[in-house]
Amino acid sequence: GESVGLHLPTLSVQEGDNSIINCAYSNSASDYFIWYKQESGKGPQFIIDIRSNMDKRQGQRVTVLLNKTVKHLSLQIAATQPGDSAVYFCAENSLGTYKYIFGTGTRLKVLA
Amino acid sequence: EAGVTQFPSHSVIEKGQTVTLRCDPISGHDNLYWYRRVMGKEIKFLLHFVKESKQDESGMPNNRFLAERTGGTYSTLKVQPAELEDSGVYFCASSRKTGGWEQYFGPGTRLTVT
Repeated sequence: GESVGLHLPTLSVQEGDNSIINCAYSNSASDYFIWYKQESGKGPQFIIDIRSNMDKRQGQRVTVLLNKTVKHLSLQIAATQPGDSAVYFCAENSLGTYKYIFGTGTRLKVLA
Repeated sequence: EAGVTQFPSHSVIEKGQTVTLRCDPISGHDNLYWYRRVMGKEIKFLLHFVKESKQDESGMPNNRFLAERTGGTYSTLKVQPAELEDSGVYFCASSRKTGGWEQYFGPGTRLTVT
C-alpha cells in the first residue's frame, strides 16, 4: 500500500459542500479522460470517465467537465462526505493506445 | 470478480539487492500494465503487456528493471540491483482492451531501498 505524498496541492472543504478538483492535461491528441480516487494504502480506484466527444458527464454525486479548448478537466463532487477524503488523479489516454498519463494529484480533505 | 492483486504490499531492501514484485491481473484481462509513483510525484507508466508480449516498455527507467509475464497470466517486475531512487510505489493495472477502457489498479507495492 501507499501513503499519500507530502507535497500535493490540497483542497479542504466542509462536509456537505461541493468540491471542484481541477486538472490540466498535456496532450491535445488525448481523447479519453479518467478520474481516479486513491485512499491511503489502496490503489487508484476508477470514479468516472469521459470521452473527447463530450464536455460533461454525470455519475452518482460526481460530474466531470471537459474543456478541450484549454485542455482542462474538472471533477465536481456534490455534497462532499468524509469518505471522499482521498487523493484524486486525473489521467489522459488516446484511444488505441495504452498509456495513461497521470496528473500530479490533488488531496481532498473533508472537514467535519 | 477478484481485483488486481500485488505482492508484497511492502518491501524494504538494501541498495544493491534484488527485489521481485508480483502482479496478478483480473482473470480474463489480456492487458497488464506497470506504473510507479516515486517521491510523491505523479504516477508514471513503465510498460504494457498484451498477454505474454511486451507492447511497450518505453517507460522502464533502465536495464536494472526486468518485467516478465510468462504464460500471459501473472507478471513479475524485478529490480536488480536496486538503487535508492527506485524507492516508491509500484502499481499494476489490467484491462480487457487497450486504450479507452478502464484500467483496474492493484493496491501497489511500496518499495523502500535503504
